[in-house]
Amino acid sequence: GNSVTQMEGPVTLSEEAFLTINCTYTATGYPSLFWYVQYPGEGLQLLLKATKADDKGSNKGFEATYRKETTSFHLEKGSVQVSDSAVYFCALTSNQAGTALIFGKGTTLSVSS
Amino acid sequence: NAGVTQTPKFQVLKTGQSMTLQCAQDMNHEYMSWYRQDPGMGLRLIHYSVGAGITDQGEVPNGYNVSRSTTEDFPLRLLSAAPSQTSVYFCASRALAYQETQYFGPGTRLLVL
Repeated sequence: GNSVTQMEGPVTLSEEAFLTINCTYTATGYPSLFWYVQYPGEGLQLLLKATKADDKGSNKGFEATYRKETTSFHLEKGSVQVSDSAVYFCALTSNQAGTALIFGKGTTLSVSS
Repeated sequence: NAGVTQTPKFQVLKTGQSMTLQCAQDMNHEYMSWYRQDPGMGLRLIHYSVGAGITDQGEVPNGYNVSRSTTEDFPLRLLSAAPSQTSVYFCASRALAYQETQYFGPGTRLLVL
């Protein structure tokens, strides 16, 4: 079945450091890929998405490229801020209408000044 | 638009009690779902619905019931609460197409004693 694997956390960085959170997936066909972010005490909100191979999603300085050859969708940011401290979830849906969003277990990012 | 709303925000139950977690959306989304979030487990799908009158089980459906009588509402029922159901519950909705963004409610924190 479909699944998502993301790197274990927590990830602890200093402000302005470079961030990478790895995400790989297993799915049949051509899934859509997402990164969601959860700030403390809140629900999840979409950070970025990519719906086909080689697409790059980007938002708020974060980027991720849909790599079908490596089945990966790694999240990157060139310079993190304290306000980026949150839990980040990689997720996918398979290429059929009405299918569920499958999540990875989440990676906690903590950024200190 | 209010988006996805959930009530209550927090609830304490005793083992064996029943309750209904409410979820509503005003975006006319066909697809609605319920997840539970537990430490180290990410988000796991409980039940989902692709339209009024249609529901199906997700990864962890035992102990939960759902119904979908209208497009807007998707309540989650716990018939006999157990301590293992202590969790944070998120409702989500999206348009039916698989690549569409899923929107999450703010969550309900449930404690079963």
